Amino acid sequence: QVQLVQSGAEVKKPGASVKISCRASGYTFTGYHIHWVRQARGQGLEWMGWLAPNSGGTNYAQKFRGRVAMTRDKSFATAYLELGSLTSDDTAIYFCARAKGSGAYNWFDPWGQGTLVTVSS
Amino acid sequence: DIQMTQSPSSLSASVGDRVTITCRASQYINNYLAWYQQKAGRVPKVLIFGASTLQSGVPSRFSGSGSGTDFTLTISSLQPEDVATYYCQTYKNAPLTFGGGTKVEIK
Repeated sequence: QVQLVQSGAEVKKPGASVKISCRASGYTFTGYHIHWVRQARGQGLEWMGWLAPNSGGTNYAQKFRGRVAMTRDKSFATAYLELGSLTSDDTAIYFCARAKGSGAYNWFDPWGQGTLVTVSS
Repeated sequence: DIQMTQSPSSLSASVGDRVTITCRASQYINNYLAWYQQKAGRVPKVLIFGASTLQSGVPSRFSGSGSGTDFTLTISSLQPEDVATYYCQTYKNAPLTFGGGTKVEIK
């Protein structure tokens, strides 16, 4: 079945960077965009951007430009989210999600299980 | 950027009640709208896409309607397992904005 499996929880200090992985299985990795969404505790869903696994193309939400990078390793069918200059406001669960159809602008299904990133001194 | 405004932010209803959640887009989005259900501690799950198409496996008591800027998610007969937060999302273009969420509880 189509599945996205994310890396484990991270604890980082303010100012550091974090890199989260999202391994895809059950479908052709290069055929579908991967989106990243985060959710702070008790808060709503916040879209961060998308990655086109075939070309490596990206589109980041304005809020994160300059400190975010979405990359992939096609040989491992894995997408990565790297977020730098972390502050306590970045403490959240980070989800990867696959665009349902071809192209970036589709609903998300399935989602990864989420990765908790805690930023604390 | 398109803003998505959901209402109410929370509601409490009895089992068997009809529940309606609304979502308004700040610009025309045609039918590029999805609804997600997120139970506590769980991953969001798509219920409806294309504003009104029910995802396979989702109970038929869920329905979606609307087009353009105004959309509705309806639960025809609320069940205990429907306790969750519901989010609308536009996927017309970037940013793929979510609404603020509606928390549904049982009275």
